[in-house]
Amino acid sequence: GIQVEQSPPDLILQEGANSTLRCNFSDSVNNLQWFHQNPWGQLINLFYIPSGTKQNGRLSATTVATERYSLLYISSSQTTDSGVYFCAVANSGNTPLVFGKGTRLSVIA
Amino acid sequence: GAVVSQHPSWVICKSGTSVKIECRSLDFQATTMFWYRQFPKQSLMLMATSNEGSKATYEQGVEKDKFLINHASLTLSTLTVTSAHPEDSSFYICSASRCATTYEQYFGPGTRLTVT
Repeated sequence: GIQVEQSPPDLILQEGANSTLRCNFSDSVNNLQWFHQNPWGQLINLFYIPSGTKQNGRLSATTVATERYSLLYISSSQTTDSGVYFCAVANSGNTPLVFGKGTRLSVIA
Repeated sequence: GAVVSQHPSWVICKSGTSVKIECRSLDFQATTMFWYRQFPKQSLMLMATSNEGSKATYEQGVEKDKFLINHASLTLSTLTVTSAHPEDSSFYICSASRCATTYEQYFGPGTRLTVT
């Protein structure tokens, strides 16, 4: 099955700093989503981005489908950005998502 | 739109009892829902695919007789953990897709199960 690798596994940032999280996948995809898991476990849907670029406030994401990677950019990080960021992909029809292991982000004041 | 709810949000039960978790799509119909499990400090792992009106498809290593899935309507899927044991303690999350113009999936808030 499709493999998903996220990097870095852990990241510590000073408040106000910028960061880039990476997601590599092993096959073509028709679904790629980025999530932020909050301390209560809820998955917050950040982007649905199987290709192209999107922006939402301080967050933006780019997926280069032909090269099988996606990037999540966080600018001017805040302590509330702390948590685990997951990339998840699917490669056919209405099929379940395969999750990467996540990037654990800690933003310190 | 595209809201998925789960009930209960947390449950504590004694070893040997059964627990039912509900997953509802509140504002759309979903012919397919997915059930995931997440252990502490780990990622989400797919348990099964729930299909409305037919049997669920389980991932390798997931006991179908222990984790009973019923997808009785286009807005409701249930997961019943039968004869629960402490090793079943985990965070259970469901998802659904509207299957409209995209394959985007929407996740419920999760159910934290603790078996004592």
